[in-house]
Amino acid sequence: AQSVSQHNHHVILSEAASLELGCNYSYGGTVNLFWYVQYPGQHLQLLLKYFSGDPLVKGIKGFEAEFIKSKFSFNLRKPSVQWSDTAEYFCAVNALGNNRLAFGKGNQVVVIP
Amino acid sequence: ETGVTQTPRHLVMGMTNKKSLKCEQHLGHNAMYWYKQSAKKPLELMFVYSLEERVENNSVPSRFSPECPNSSHLFLHLHTLQPEDSALYLCASSPRGQGNDEQFFGPGTRLTVL
Repeated sequence: AQSVSQHNHHVILSEAASLELGCNYSYGGTVNLFWYVQYPGQHLQLLLKYFSGDPLVKGIKGFEAEFIKSKFSFNLRKPSVQWSDTAEYFCAVNALGNNRLAFGKGNQVVVIP
Repeated sequence: ETGVTQTPRHLVMGMTNKKSLKCEQHLGHNAMYWYKQSAKKPLELMFVYSLEERVENNSVPSRFSPECPNSSHLFLHLHTLQPEDSALYLCASSPRGQGNDEQFFGPGTRLTVL
């Protein structure tokens, strides 16, 4: 079964600091990779996704993620966070050929103005 | 607003009650999903429907019974639940039901079982 690991469940940082959230998965075959975000009081929404091609993926709001196949990782980054980036971030993995999406436990990120 | 609505938003029920959660999507998608979100646990997939046919049942207890009468509506019927079933229940939809689809989530129903 696929599993997805996200570490450092709670992250607190100041505005303009850089953010990196780790995501590792256990599936050895071809995967589709996603980061979803849930802002306070809002729905889960897609931040970015990777299917194939350039392993460095650009998403909305200045976020990017890098797929490193050898490390089974898909880490999320933002060079300079804003207060409005306060949210919970979820990594999700789909193994090619099935219709399941496996989620990590999420990272609660708080950005202090 | 993602085009996926859920009612009710909050529900408190006793262990002997029968209730239903409703999800509706206005996006013309062909697949719908139920997830359970509990504190400190990953989002758990419960059921997947594609073109109104159940294609995934993730070992969910029979006290949860899904129904998909058409591609726009999805229900989760609840019967004799346990306190540990208290959680946020999320509905999602996607265009084709394929694994690389973006899923669009509703706001969830916060369920408390007394």
